[in-house]
Amino acid sequence: NAGVMQNPRHLVRRRGQEARLRCSPMKGHSHVYWYRQLPEEGLKFMVYLQKENIIDESGMPKERFSAEFPKEGPSILRIQQVVRGDSAAYFCASSPKDSLSSGNTIYFGEGSWLTVV
Amino acid sequence: SQQGEEDPQALSIQEGENATMNCSYKTSINNLQWYRQNSGRGLVHLILIRSNEREKHSGRLRVTLDTSKKSSSLLITASRAADTASYFCANAGGTSYGKLTFGQGTILTVHP
Repeated sequence: NAGVMQNPRHLVRRRGQEARLRCSPMKGHSHVYWYRQLPEEGLKFMVYLQKENIIDESGMPKERFSAEFPKEGPSILRIQQVVRGDSAAYFCASSPKDSLSSGNTIYFGEGSWLTVV
Repeated sequence: SQQGEEDPQALSIQEGENATMNCSYKTSINNLQWYRQNSGRGLVHLILIRSNEREKHSGRLRVTLDTSKKSSSLLITASRAADTASYFCANAGGTSYGKLTFGQGTILTVHP
């Protein structure tokens, strides 16, 4: 049973280019979360999606960042016109249902490391 | 403002010793979770403690939760070199879904 799959693991982009990060949740999971980790910091929540719906995007920067989770295929985090400050590790997580209060955990992927040069 | 702060920021011990890491948080919680992250890798879920629990054990791990002080501690007993990693606490606040607030983490180094 494969875990949360993220690709690419490492991505280098020049300033102004676009970065696309993909996440395939664990089998049977329909809830996806994206987090960003800046160097030597903890993870920061970005967005929570269910199939074809954005549920909570309170952590997404207002510009250049977007996320989707289509009916078919992986979830995509898209960063347009990247800047050096976007260099970070981007983690995807998934869960089978949305209720943490009942003790369900979320499962993280290995992350995608974006470097903007 | 930063929610969820671990201390110490870094901890260096010898194999066989115990390691204690503390975490404070500011909002109400449904539960609090601890994660481990090896350098350059993803997060591994270690243990979850619910807001109505005070202590929980899992193997060499012991987690305590004091909701009156809004703090938690993670104890790793009989540490091993393989325990070297960053440890994060995270809480979901009042949400029912996976919107976790992470602390800055404690970097644990266990010397063989």
